[in-house]
Amino acid sequence: IAGITQAPTSQILAAGRRMTLRCTQDMRHNAMYWYRQDLGLGLRLIHYSNTAGTTGKGEVPDGYSVSRANTDDFPLTLASAVPSQTSVYFCASSGQASTGELFFGEGSRLTVL
Amino acid sequence: GENVEQHPSTLSVQEGDSAVIKCTYSDSASNYFPWYKQELGKGPQLIIDIRSNVGEKKDQRIAVTLNKTAKHFSLHITETQPEDSAVYFCAASIKGTYKYIFGTGTRLKVLA
Repeated sequence: IAGITQAPTSQILAAGRRMTLRCTQDMRHNAMYWYRQDLGLGLRLIHYSNTAGTTGKGEVPDGYSVSRANTDDFPLTLASAVPSQTSVYFCASSGQASTGELFFGEGSRLTVL
Repeated sequence: GENVEQHPSTLSVQEGDSAVIKCTYSDSASNYFPWYKQELGKGPQLIIDIRSNVGEKKDQRIAVTLNKTAKHFSLHITETQPEDSAVYFCAASIKGTYKYIFGTGTRLKVLA
């Protein structure tokens, strides 16, 4: 089934540890995004990529980095996790940046202790 | 900066009644307004969208209206059913940019 696959589904992490959330899509979409979802704050954009080889910062990029080596993969890395990064993370893709449907993964629940 | 306000944060309706969720956006350059439904434990899914050159769009029990002058757009669900219970997000985006700005969500409960 075509779509977005995120891993892990959930993770508990000690503060200060490095963590990479994986995201793969098989729809050959150019644009990919990482959002975090927190109660009462909705979905906030962390980083985005309009095409392979390019990335950009969203609303809340601090403490996160991304790479886009190819069309399909868009990993999100927390270099040194902090408790405020406890959240549910969603990866999304779109065939048309900014004016097309976003396809979301199932989310990765991250708890930083 | 760009902002999307969404109201109400929670909404309870009796099955069969209508539900309305309202959003206001700040950037007049916004030109695309999607609505997403998120069921428990799932990622959001697009249910309907509207572009800035259209005032209203319908899809069965769901409709979206857009007032560009007032920078308002609304989601209307008629004849609500228990399976409509979910969190709904509005969003606004600007052509040519990466930006989808989401509202804070509305938790809709349809009471049987």
